[in-house]
Amino acid sequence: QKEVEQNSGPLSVPEGAIASLNCTYSDRVSQSFFWYRQYSGKSPELIMSIYSNGDKEDGRFTAQLNKASQYVSLLIRDSQPSDSATYLCAVSSSGGSNYKLTFGKGTLLTVNP
Amino acid sequence: EPEVTQTPSHQVTQMGQEVILRCVPISNHLYFYWYRQILGQKVEFLVSFYNNEISEKSEIFDDQFSVERPDGSNFTLKIRSTKLEDSAMYFCASREGVRQAFFGQGTRLTVV
Repeated sequence: QKEVEQNSGPLSVPEGAIASLNCTYSDRVSQSFFWYRQYSGKSPELIMSIYSNGDKEDGRFTAQLNKASQYVSLLIRDSQPSDSATYLCAVSSSGGSNYKLTFGKGTLLTVNP
Repeated sequence: EPEVTQTPSHQVTQMGQEVILRCVPISNHLYFYWYRQILGQKVEFLVSFYNNEISEKSEIFDDQFSVERPDGSNFTLKIRSTKLEDSAMYFCASREGVRQAFFGQGTRLTVV
């Protein structure tokens, strides 16, 4: 069974600090990796996608992928109180004509003013 | 910006009743999904739909569930004979290809 594991948290950081979120996955054929942000009672909102090994930066967010270690991470620089949310790691494989997402349980991040 | 639209936002139903959750995916997308999130738990895959047929379904998606794309724009999830444990947020998602999936705002289903 394909699994996606995240450090469950909660993770609490002061405003302006770097928040580091981690994720491991079990399915070696996974090809696409995503970080979603979910506010309480809302739907997942895509913040980063990464498809190849290395780092990908978008504003204050950096995603890192290491397929050999089956590890994905998300760094949030200069954390803001508005970043407080649950961050979901999601993994997708080609699986024929499917590309379904397998989600981790999420890490609750709190940024303290 | 195109978005996935779900209706209703909240549905309350009595146990044993049938409900239909509706979704309008992004127009040029080809892959459609339903996911479920029970309160406090992770987002779980229910079913994927491609080329007018189910491409994969999870163990959760048993005979009480069905999906349809009746008119080329809407994508529906029907739950027959609802149970208390069906209470959850149901998310519709669509994607164009291998890239990211876009989620609707969700339907909160409460079975009483």
